[in-house]
Amino acid sequence: NAGVTQTPKFQVLKTGQSMTLQCAQDMNHNSMYWYRQDPGMGLRLIYYSASEGTTDKGEVPNGYNVSRLNKREFSLRLESAAPSQTSVYFCASREDSLSYNEQFFGPGTRLTVL
Amino acid sequence: RKEVEQDPGPFNVPEGATVAFNCTYSNSASQSFFWYRQDCRKEPKLLMSVYSSGNEDGRFTAQLNRASQYISLLIRDSKLSDSATYLCVVNINRGSTLGRLYFGRGTQLTVWP
Repeated sequence: NAGVTQTPKFQVLKTGQSMTLQCAQDMNHNSMYWYRQDPGMGLRLIYYSASEGTTDKGEVPNGYNVSRLNKREFSLRLESAAPSQTSVYFCASREDSLSYNEQFFGPGTRLTVL
Repeated sequence: RKEVEQDPGPFNVPEGATVAFNCTYSNSASQSFFWYRQDCRKEPKLLMSVYSSGNEDGRFTAQLNRASQYISLLIRDSKLSDSATYLCVVNINRGSTLGRLYFGRGTQLTVWP
């Protein structure tokens, strides 16, 4: 099992460009998450999907959209990138959210917006 | 107010030392508790869950005090490989909404030889 995979690993964008970060998990998990991590700020939740077909905003959703394409895949889109979106983005998945189930993270995408 | 508060450190300790991290959470509806570990430029990974009665995994001991809304992690006999950032995490279910994890900002530990 690959666990949680993310593409790309690194990306440099110019202000105003758009891109989609891809995430997939092969653990048959119901819940999936997108976080960003900035120095001194910790992990902040952007969007999450408790189950296939549903998505909800987290703490910092502005400037982002998500799609839960199927149970395996959860993508994050930046429609018009801004320098404030320079960050490390982590995707994560969890079997469900009602117990002590472990949350698994992907390796991250390091995004720089110039 | 953040759901989970941690002392960011950094903690710098010699090999063999005992070090303790503390964490407080603000929501009494918090239902499950964890410590995650994050190595530099890597993703967070589960270190251990924290149970009401306290639990131990080798050199690591976790404690939970629900009355004080306080979680701790004790590392005994520190190794160089323990150098990392330790994240305090709580799971909160909000009514009919499925719960999610809330992460502290992390406590940075460096173990020196």
